[in-house]
Amino acid sequence: TQLLEQSPQFLSIQEGENLTVYCNSSSVFSSLQWYRQEPGEGPVLLVTVVTGGEVKKLKRLTFQFGDARKDSSLHITAAQPGDTGLYLCAGANLGSNYKLTFGKGTLLTVNP
Amino acid sequence: DAGVIQSPRHEVTEMGQEVTLRCKPISGHNSLFWYRQTMMRGLELLIYFNNNVPIDDSGMPEDRFSAKMPNASFSTLKIQPSEPRDSAVYFCASTRQPAMNTEAFFGQGTRLTVV
Repeated sequence: TQLLEQSPQFLSIQEGENLTVYCNSSSVFSSLQWYRQEPGEGPVLLVTVVTGGEVKKLKRLTFQFGDARKDSSLHITAAQPGDTGLYLCAGANLGSNYKLTFGKGTLLTVNP
Repeated sequence: DAGVIQSPRHEVTEMGQEVTLRCKPISGHNSLFWYRQTMMRGLELLIYFNNNVPIDDSGMPEDRFSAKMPNASFSTLKIQPSEPRDSAVYFCASTRQPAMNTEAFFGQGTRLTVV
């Protein structure tokens, strides 16, 4: 079983602060995705990274895939209350027919 | 497209009763997933269908759980008999043909409470 560990589990910050959350595994993944989930809703895809060392930016969010494709990070600059939510990483592999394995998530609260 | 549609949104049932959760995937998507989400265990994959055929059911907790996909536009997850520890939010998700960068689209979930 391929496990994804996310840290921190909970994070509460003030509006305007920067933050980084992490997604780590001992296994290599073909691709890694980040989702955000709001209360009462299902997860929604933010980004997919597929190449070791890849960096993708989505406005104030920066995603990085580790060189060995075992870990990833999400950095948010100048966090806003609208960034509040559960951030989930999910890995996929050809060998498992690309089924997604999710981490438990980081619950982010941005206070105004 | 209306997205992935799940019903009911909320279900409260007594221990021992049968529960059936329903899912309509996005039209044209070939793969369907059932997940269970709890605070303790996060989002767990229960079963995965591709072209209506179960590919991986290794996450189904025990024989009390069963899932079917009789056609490309409908799937059910049944729990019989239900137990309090089955209380969770159950999500259905669908994707196009699985690939490295395929996006999973999730429904709004069914919150199940077994008392």
